[in-house]
Amino acid sequence: QQQVKQSPQSLIVQKGGISIINCAYENTAFDYFPWYQQFPGKGPALLIAIRPDVSEKKEGRFTISFNKSAKQFSLHIMDSQPGDSATYFCAANAGNMLTFGGGTRLMVKP
Amino acid sequence: DGGITQSPKYLFRKEGQNVTLSCEQNLNHDAMYWYRQDPGQGLRLIYYSQIVNDFQKGDIAEGYSVSREKKESFPLTVTSAQKNPTAFYLCASSMINGNSPLHFGNGTRLTVT
Repeated sequence: QQQVKQSPQSLIVQKGGISIINCAYENTAFDYFPWYQQFPGKGPALLIAIRPDVSEKKEGRFTISFNKSAKQFSLHIMDSQPGDSATYFCAANAGNMLTFGGGTRLMVKP
Repeated sequence: DGGITQSPKYLFRKEGQNVTLSCEQNLNHDAMYWYRQDPGQGLRLIYYSQIVNDFQKGDIAEGYSVSREKKESFPLTVTSAQKNPTAFYLCASSMINGNSPLHFGNGTRLTVT
């Protein structure tokens, strides 16, 4: 049972464009929502995270938007660069346990 | 440098053999985790441990075993009972306190033929 649904599975964006990845969850006990970035052959690394008491968090070109009533959150990558090409995972935490989405493979074309 | 070391990076085994994947951390984290990564399926939790000499099954523990004899080490054994063992295995650690981020190793790619 996948408690965190992530879309799309893959995404191709032109350099300078906006990349948008969406996640939806069902468990209202989730209280922390991180995003991880993974490059080929490497382990995932924390990119940005948000708590449900805020609707948006921005760090540089990366922004999380959070809609608590809809139980949805999304990652926006502004001015996407070829170096952003990676797999992105959303996750949700409850009781110190993370549940991951299925991942989105992003390719940014030069 | 602090971090998580997984070894080896690539591992090949014949079907029917048990194999042990190593995971060592020097971050002084109490909690350690093993995840399996398959294309399109995200990260699935195999086992986790929050304290030495104690561990719990995750979502897909069948065919796997672990031990936690030291705080720094959390080896994973893939047994012959695991029906489809070929995958990318990731070890992670974190502090116990709420919402502490996971720190991942660079994984071991296991191929069983």
